[in-house]
Amino acid sequence: AQSVTQLDSQVPVFEEAPVELRCNYSSSVSVYLFWYVQYPNQGLQLLLKYLSGSTLVKGINGFEAEFNKSQTSFHLRKPSVHISDTAEYFCAVSPMDSSYKLIFGSGTRLLVRP
Amino acid sequence: DSGVTQTPKHLITATGQRVTLRCSPRSGDLSVYWYQQSLDQGLQFLIQYYNGEERAKGNILERFSAQQFPDLHSELNLSSLELGDSALYFCASSTSRGSGFYGYTFGSGTRLTVV
Repeated sequence: AQSVTQLDSQVPVFEEAPVELRCNYSSSVSVYLFWYVQYPNQGLQLLLKYLSGSTLVKGINGFEAEFNKSQTSFHLRKPSVHISDTAEYFCAVSPMDSSYKLIFGSGTRLLVRP
Repeated sequence: DSGVTQTPKHLITATGQRVTLRCSPRSGDLSVYWYQQSLDQGLQFLIQYYNGEERAKGNILERFSAQQFPDLHSELNLSSLELGDSALYFCASSTSRGSGFYGYTFGSGTRLTVV
């Protein structure tokens, strides 16, 4: 079975500051990794994904994430945030089998202040 | 527009009633997933269908049921509604034939309010 832990329920940060949202996972098999963003009153939108290859993955809106297999982590980073980045961010994992299952973390609310 | 269409966007109904939420997956996607999102429970997986057949079940109540039709659209039926069923219900789709797995595409959700 797989599980995802997002330790920070809320991360406040000032505009133009860097930010890191933490994600750790547990799995007995290899996994694919994803970050989704949910803006207020909207559905979830895919930010980026790690399927294989380079452990540094770049996504939309200037976000990037690094897969660390030894630490079982997939932290999301952005060097300079904007007010418009205020949203809920979900980390998710999917086992590399034919289940096409996606297991989500509890989410981290990023609050960008002017 | 993500390509996943959910109707209706908003629904207000009374306790004890029954409602049907509809989802049209992205063109070519075979899998449909239903999620419930509430403030206290977060994002909860309800059920998955793949090409018309139930593939996986999550925390879905017995009062809730779903199906996927031959044209691949799906419906989530919620009956004997309670106040606690008020939530955002999301549909997602994935897995085009032969394309591998690249995550889910979500619809914009149906906000259900039970009064």
